[in-house]
Amino acid sequence: SQKIEQNSEALNIQEGKTATLTCNYTNYSPAYLQWYRQDPGRGPVFLLLIRENEKEKRKERLKVTFDTTLKQSLFHITASQPADSATYLCALITGNQFYFGTGTSLTVIP
Amino acid sequence: EAGVAQSPRYKIIEKRQSVAFWCNPISGHATLYWYQQILGQGPKLLIQFQNNGVVDDSQLPKDRFSAERLKGVDSTLKIQPAKLEDSAVYLCASSPGDRGNPGAYEQYFGPGTRLTVT
Repeated sequence: SQKIEQNSEALNIQEGKTATLTCNYTNYSPAYLQWYRQDPGRGPVFLLLIRENEKEKRKERLKVTFDTTLKQSLFHITASQPADSATYLCALITGNQFYFGTGTSLTVIP
Repeated sequence: EAGVAQSPRYKIIEKRQSVAFWCNPISGHATLYWYQQILGQGPKLLIQFQNNGVVDDSQLPKDRFSAERLKGVDSTLKIQPAKLEDSAVYLCASSPGDRGNPGAYEQYFGPGTRLTVT
């Protein structure tokens, strides 16, 4: 069956450290993979998109890697801040379909 | 630029009643999506429109859910009759829709409608 798994436990890190979130998938062959941020009571906000033939993408303090052999994406937030506290969702795009993971809750402790 | 608008923000109904949600996407966005997000889960795509045509509705429970996008702009999602398991947040999103450009897949989400079925 098709499955997308993100860090099952909530992630707590100290301010200034690098947060690393994982997204593992099985039985998909996504052309693109996206990361979104979702705050309580709000819709997801798009952060980054990476293509299947790209290994890494950066945007300010954010970095995404995509390994289609391992079927895994890693999402890094460097120099984390309390304002980065939120739930982060990965989404796979294959054909016309978008498949979201369940999300990882990140708390950055001052 | 104005974001994706949704209404109502909250709705409480009894099972077997019907309900409708409204979405106004970002101006000029060709693609519109409806998602269902159950508490603690990621969004699940229900239906996708390109202009006023349906691109994909494979995960829409068509025996009770229906959606339309008249004139390729606003959209409504209806549930009739509602079941307890329909309790969720219903999210609308839009994207530019130019499939030749990866930017077409950047979805802009509205705030959602929280539905409670009792």
